[in-house]
Amino acid sequence: QVQLQESGPRLVKPSETLSLTCTVSGGSISNYYWSWIRQPPGKGLEWIGYISYSGTTNYNPSLKSRVTMSLHTSMSQFYLRLRSVTAADTAVYYCARQNCGGDCYLDYWGQGILVTVSS
Amino acid sequence: QSVLTQPPSASGTPGQRVTISCSGSSSNIGSNYVYWYQQFPGTAPKLLIYRNNQRPSGVPDRFSGSKSGTSASLAISGLRSEDEADYYCAAWDDSLSGPVFGGGTKLTVL
Repeated sequence: QVQLQESGPRLVKPSETLSLTCTVSGGSISNYYWSWIRQPPGKGLEWIGYISYSGTTNYNPSLKSRVTMSLHTSMSQFYLRLRSVTAADTAVYYCARQNCGGDCYLDYWGQGILVTVSS
Repeated sequence: QSVLTQPPSASGTPGQRVTISCSGSSSNIGSNYVYWYQQFPGTAPKLLIYRNNQRPSGVPDRFSGSKSGTSASLAISGLRSEDEADYYCAAWDDSLSGPVFGGGTKLTVL
């Protein structure tokens, strides 16, 4: 069973950079795409972007100017960096596996990590 | 504002059949599969339906999905108290080259 676990600082100051790590276990990071999704408190889900096993990225245009994703295959980890954060970036951040075989969908998710942007 | 449109709430009594709608456009639902997720408070979304009407192993057949044109529906029959949760629809969006979601429907079992 594939499992994902988010980790990183839970409190980030405004204008600073949010950095999160997703660790994948129970399966290979190869041959899949890996996504970040966020959910502001009491609101719906927003896709942030994905990175492929080969390092190709695609970001939501609404966040593209501030987002960078990367991965470390041998460590089975992938990463999210979101620059110049504001209170509007306060959310539960999820990492998920994007299963792309003809179509693409998010099949396994991490438990999520609440990141608060506040001074 | 979410790309896909869902009613914010739905309700039913135990044993009833409830449906949740999801409306999109030609760039998402109209040209791609629809997925449904179930989310309990404080937990991650769980894949409930994939490729419009397929159930992952372990999902009861009380849950079913359908799609027509740019709209989709999730039906839950034989409603149980443990079905009380938030339900989200999702679809790949060709313009975004990524997934888009509905705003979620909070299901209450009366």
